[in-house]
Amino acid sequence: SQQGEEDPQALSIQEGENATMNCSYKTSINNLQWYRQNSGRGLVHLILIRSNEREKHSGRLRVTLDTSKKSSSLLITASRAADTASYFCATDALPSNTGKLIFGQGTTLQVKP
Amino acid sequence: GAVVSQHPSRVICKSGTSVKIECRSLDFQATTMFWYRQFPKQSLMLMATSNEGSKATYEQGVEKDKFLINHASLTLSTLTVTSAHPEDSSFYICSARDFGPGETQYFGPGTRLLVL
Repeated sequence: SQQGEEDPQALSIQEGENATMNCSYKTSINNLQWYRQNSGRGLVHLILIRSNEREKHSGRLRVTLDTSKKSSSLLITASRAADTASYFCATDALPSNTGKLIFGQGTTLQVKP
Repeated sequence: GAVVSQHPSRVICKSGTSVKIECRSLDFQATTMFWYRQFPKQSLMLMATSNEGSKATYEQGVEKDKFLINHASLTLSTLTVTSAHPEDSSFYICSARDFGPGETQYFGPGTRLLVL
């Protein structure tokens, strides 16, 4: 299966700064989701954005989706040390809504206190 | 939110043995569950789709005879790694989707397999 790409692969910022991660994918999608994974743990669902939406907010998270460019971005504002984790985008590809997710390569975020 | 559990969380076994990993949806019924594998510092790769009451659907390149999947009930799917070898050492994660109004997929905490 094809996987999307995320950039940057690694990001290190100071607490309080904003963190922006980008994701590109290759096929038409039903929706795109962002997940967080702490080291050695399972995935935590952050936010889902549908193909007909362009922007979505949840707390300190802001997600954008540009289907013409097949790309999405995740912005974490006012970052905290607890935000240190790996972040993955995942797409639920068309044509069938099977629930199968294709994951991007992930961005490892380090927030320094 | 919905909870998915996995057991065991960590397992060490000798080469040649078989290992069974359980994935349970604790507060919803899941007709479909998914099994992923994640190598260190890499992303998740979908291995197979587990369908309750029918055969699993495997992704290209995944050996169905090596990774046996059984989805015997609406809340339980099992992955058995048969004749495990050191290259099978990985982090195995399951997920389940609540096919209700939402489309969120819930992930288990993962199982760390180390084959010696």
